[in-house]
Amino acid sequence: DTGVSQNPRHKITKRGQNVTFRCDPISEHNRLYWYRQTLGQGPEFLTYFQNEAQLEKSRLLSDRFSAERPKGSFSTLEIQRTEQGDSAMYLCASSRKGRDQPQHFGDGTRLSIL
Amino acid sequence: AQTVTQSQPEMSVQEAETVTLSCTYDTSESDYYLFWYKQPPSRQMILVIRQEAYKQQNATENRFSVNFQKAAKSFSLKISDSQLGDAAMYFCVTWGTGNQFYFGTGTSLTVIP
Repeated sequence: DTGVSQNPRHKITKRGQNVTFRCDPISEHNRLYWYRQTLGQGPEFLTYFQNEAQLEKSRLLSDRFSAERPKGSFSTLEIQRTEQGDSAMYLCASSRKGRDQPQHFGDGTRLSIL
Repeated sequence: AQTVTQSQPEMSVQEAETVTLSCTYDTSESDYYLFWYKQPPSRQMILVIRQEAYKQQNATENRFSVNFQKAAKSFSLKISDSQLGDAAMYFCVTWGTGNQFYFGTGTSLTVIP
């Protein structure tokens, strides 16, 4: 169990640019989740995958956000035409299937928009 | 929408003492799970304890225990014999509507030596 890995750890970009984050889950986990966390708040659910299928998307996820998990392993989260309000920590978590299964979180990618 | 309320933004406890963090939630689900997660400063979020809603017995994990009151939709976390390493942000989490996890706003716990 090597843990959930997220890259990059930090991303600084100018408003209007596109950014892409990567998450490598624990290998035997078939569920993968993306969250956004702003300062002083709890993580907000964005989307989740079971294997390669994207099963749920939050209304928070505007059309500028897209997530993929092409082979059911790693996932990418892309934000197009970044805005000031996108500045946040983006967390990835993975788990086995089941509502009782705990999520294992990565260290997150901190996005700063200039 | 499902909501999770943590009414204590900050708490402090003397080392070796006991502290209780409160959480209330709202759900329309009949079968659900509840969790407490801990997020130390600049470190990964980790699971502290979980509770199955259909089980009346309160979950316990070493120094951590919960007081689950299903009718009141209350799920508090008790930390006994507090240690310096317990200092962290604690999140109350429910799994529910839309196959989503819902996080509270967190309680920042300070442990005083």
